[in-house]
Amino acid sequence: GQQLNQSPQSMFIQEGEDVSMNCTSSSIFNTWLWYKQEPGEGPVLLIALYKAGELTSNGRLTAQFGITRKDSFLNISASIPSDVGIYFCAGPQRGAQKLVFGQGTRLTINP
Amino acid sequence: EAQVTQNPRYLITVTGKKLTVTCSQNMNHEYMSWYRQDPGLGLRQIYYSMNVEVTDKGDVPEGYKVSRKEKRNFPLILESPSPNQTSLYFCASRWVSSYNSPLHFGNGTRLTVT
Repeated sequence: GQQLNQSPQSMFIQEGEDVSMNCTSSSIFNTWLWYKQEPGEGPVLLIALYKAGELTSNGRLTAQFGITRKDSFLNISASIPSDVGIYFCAGPQRGAQKLVFGQGTRLTINP
Repeated sequence: EAQVTQNPRYLITVTGKKLTVTCSQNMNHEYMSWYRQDPGLGLRQIYYSMNVEVTDKGDVPEGYKVSRKEKRNFPLILESPSPNQTSLYFCASRWVSSYNSPLHFGNGTRLTVT
């Protein structure tokens, strides 16, 4: 099936730094979703993107739907300790009732 | 409060001993799904259900069974667990009217099979 490749797999940054991560696919997606998973909890939806080229913000988070529809980017500005967690990109497979997830980017922040 | 509830949160068992992980949602969602999460592999879908009595295989269904007798419940059954089923399991639900509607996840069940 379709696969999503996320990078980097992990990030170790200082508090206050900006963060960038991306997700790529060999196939086209019509929707890109970004989830965050905090320790001991299930993933929670952060941002949903429905249109190629779309740029959407949620507080300090900004995500973009790539023009080719094969990639998406998530940026976090001025990171704070509560940003720690695993960030997943995801996209629904066309014609199938399945959400495909990337491998995740684990974010660690040094205060 | 709208939520997806999984039980138990932690489970340690031995190879071959049948177990069931329960999942219940109170949002009247038609669609429910089970995922397993393993390091470096992200979340992989095990089974999903579009509505009552309608279930289908995901990407990694081997060794698992599900049932959907009621809209709110979607239990995951391991008839004969094996060590390679040690993982973190998530149940999720959403509206089925649009495949773009976001998934709501439970808090996970960490299963260890020895």
